[in-house]
Amino acid sequence: GQQLNQSPQSMFIQEGEDVSMNCTSSSIFNTWLWYKQEPGEGPVLLIALYKAGELTSNGRLTAQFGITRKDSFLNISASIPSDVGIYFCAGQRGGGTALIFGKGTTLSVSS
Amino acid sequence: GAGVSQSPSNKVTEKGKDVELRCDPISGHTALYWYRQRLGQGLEFLIYFQGNSAPDKSGLPSDRFSAERTGESVSTLTIQRTQQEDSAVYLCASSRGSGLDEKLFFGSGTQLSVL
Repeated sequence: GQQLNQSPQSMFIQEGEDVSMNCTSSSIFNTWLWYKQEPGEGPVLLIALYKAGELTSNGRLTAQFGITRKDSFLNISASIPSDVGIYFCAGQRGGGTALIFGKGTTLSVSS
Repeated sequence: GAGVSQSPSNKVTEKGKDVELRCDPISGHTALYWYRQRLGQGLEFLIYFQGNSAPDKSGLPSDRFSAERTGESVSTLTIQRTQQEDSAVYLCASSRGSGLDEKLFFGSGTQLSVL
């Protein structure tokens, strides 16, 4: 199936550290989104980006929509144990088209 | 309901049997998606319904997979002659519309195990 290239695949960090993960595509997307999934649950939307170059924050989370519209990154500052989970990027080419997901970044935070 | 509801939450079946998975989207949401998530993998798009438009079936992996949606309500995903490789979590999501700024809300998924 269609998927975006997301990296890193997993991260093991200490509480308080900053985290960065990114997503790339060979084709243009007009919307980039970042989701978090916890065990036994569906993904929950963290941040949505609608314009190339846009930088959006949600608390300790910051995400950017790449200028080329082919990439996006998510930063988490001052990580805490409850940040643990799988983070997915997702892109949408246009209205009425399917949302395509990356393979996810598994984040582990040790206190 | 308050959120996207999926049933059953877990399904164990024998290889070769057919299974039906159900999704109740958020009331008033016209767009509905099915995704498959294999263990440790990302979400693989299967099928997308938007209102009365023809569904986007481009993600269905084989003709053993099919999905129906009645109007703008319940959807069922059917897998015929299940194989062990079909074991995965099947996630349903809905959104109010199909615009780029419409947010997707996910159910908790159906864990399918094919023995």
